[in-house]
Amino acid sequence: EAGVAQSPRYKIIEKRQSVAFWCNPISGHATLYWYQQILGQGPKLLIQFQNNGVVDDSQLPKDRFSAERLKGVDSTLKIQPAKLEDSAVYLCASSFTLRVGKNEQYFGPGTRLTVT
Amino acid sequence: EDKVVQSPLSLVVHEGDTVTLNCSYEVTNFRSLLWYKQEKKAPTFLFMLTSSGIEKKSGRLSSILDKKELSSILNITATQTGDSAIYLCAVEAGSNYKLTFGKGTLLTVNP
Repeated sequence: EAGVAQSPRYKIIEKRQSVAFWCNPISGHATLYWYQQILGQGPKLLIQFQNNGVVDDSQLPKDRFSAERLKGVDSTLKIQPAKLEDSAVYLCASSFTLRVGKNEQYFGPGTRLTVT
Repeated sequence: EDKVVQSPLSLVVHEGDTVTLNCSYEVTNFRSLLWYKQEKKAPTFLFMLTSSGIEKKSGRLSSILDKKELSSILNITATQTGDSAIYLCAVEAGSNYKLTFGKGTLLTVNP
């Protein structure tokens, strides 16, 4: 079974530039998550999709971050404009369904973003 | 706001030692507690715990949940250098099954 795919793996941009990350979840997984992991911290949920609908985006800085999952499969996360504090690893994860004991999340390799 | 606290934040041991990692939580509408291992890449799933007092085991790793104390422990026996990693605890809570992660415990196993 193929895992969660993400691209690019690394990105370096200057502040105020824009950047986009792509994620393709495990086939058949309805739920997709984007996390931000700053060095020395655990992953922080940015947005959660169930199929193509947003379930939770309460921690997404909506003035600069946006995400979409138009066909309920792959997803794009965008930052525009980027700030220095956005430097982090952006992790995508997916799970089969939202049910107690069944929501095991599988993570992609992440995109390491450096904003200079 | 949901909170997950892990201790210690870092730990250095020698091969063959046994280690215990701790995780405590304060969340609304608890669903489950998960442990992940993170090396240089993505977190990989270890355990999901939903019931108190039932130990889950995989090789030299085991974990147990105490819902009364709002905590969990992860034990690793006969540690090996390959166990060196960050161990993340996450709690799933709420109607959306949102995961809140702790900061992780950095385990270093020296030969």
